[in-house]
Amino acid sequence: RKEVEQDPGPFNVPEGATVAFNCTYSNSASQSFFWYRQDCRKEPKLLMSVYSSGNEDGRFTAQLNRASQYISLLIRDSKLSDSATYLCVATTHATGRRALTFGSGTRLQVQP
Amino acid sequence: NAGVTQTPKFRVLKTGQSMTLLCAQDMNHEYMYWYRQDPGMGLRLIHYSVGEGTTAKGEVPDGYNVSRLKKQNFLLGLESAAPSQTSVYFCASRPTGTTFLDTQYFGPGTRLTVL
Repeated sequence: RKEVEQDPGPFNVPEGATVAFNCTYSNSASQSFFWYRQDCRKEPKLLMSVYSSGNEDGRFTAQLNRASQYISLLIRDSKLSDSATYLCVATTHATGRRALTFGSGTRLQVQP
Repeated sequence: NAGVTQTPKFRVLKTGQSMTLLCAQDMNHEYMYWYRQDPGMGLRLIHYSVGEGTTAKGEVPDGYNVSRLKKQNFLLGLESAAPSQTSVYFCASRPTGTTFLDTQYFGPGTRLTVL
């Protein structure tokens, strides 16, 4: 079983739509969570961190449910420029290395 | 301030050849990482370093070696390339943060094909 699992998609949505991605993690010791965005053939870039209380950054809202071990990302009013792969990420600090554990990504295609 | 850079950007190798991928960062970060990304697999950690002169294995270290002789550079070596090592390789770095919500900075990647 993968440590971080995501629906690979693709999610095809029209401009202006609201879309939600979910992600589950299996390691209960995971402490920090992030959403990264990756454009085709580019490096991943941090979209937002995920706080326990949930957090919002413009059109993007991230939620964390520790009891169920899942993380979500909501994108409102989708833009064409939101088309990308969204990577769910967890990190565990007990190992001391603080490396990121990535899900395989969910692809979003926003249609005009 | 170039951030994280990787050399080369593309490379084609024949099975059994060796090569070294170079990662350089100018942000004075302590931690550096090498990941590989394969289709449908996400990024997987190969090796990492928590400081100059130190390295450690990640989740997929077999077939790779690394060195961190200078704080700003992290080298990934393939001694005898195999087709299974065809992948996109990303280097990343991060500072030693006091908050657990610190992030990693990625280089642009190296696309390696082993024939």
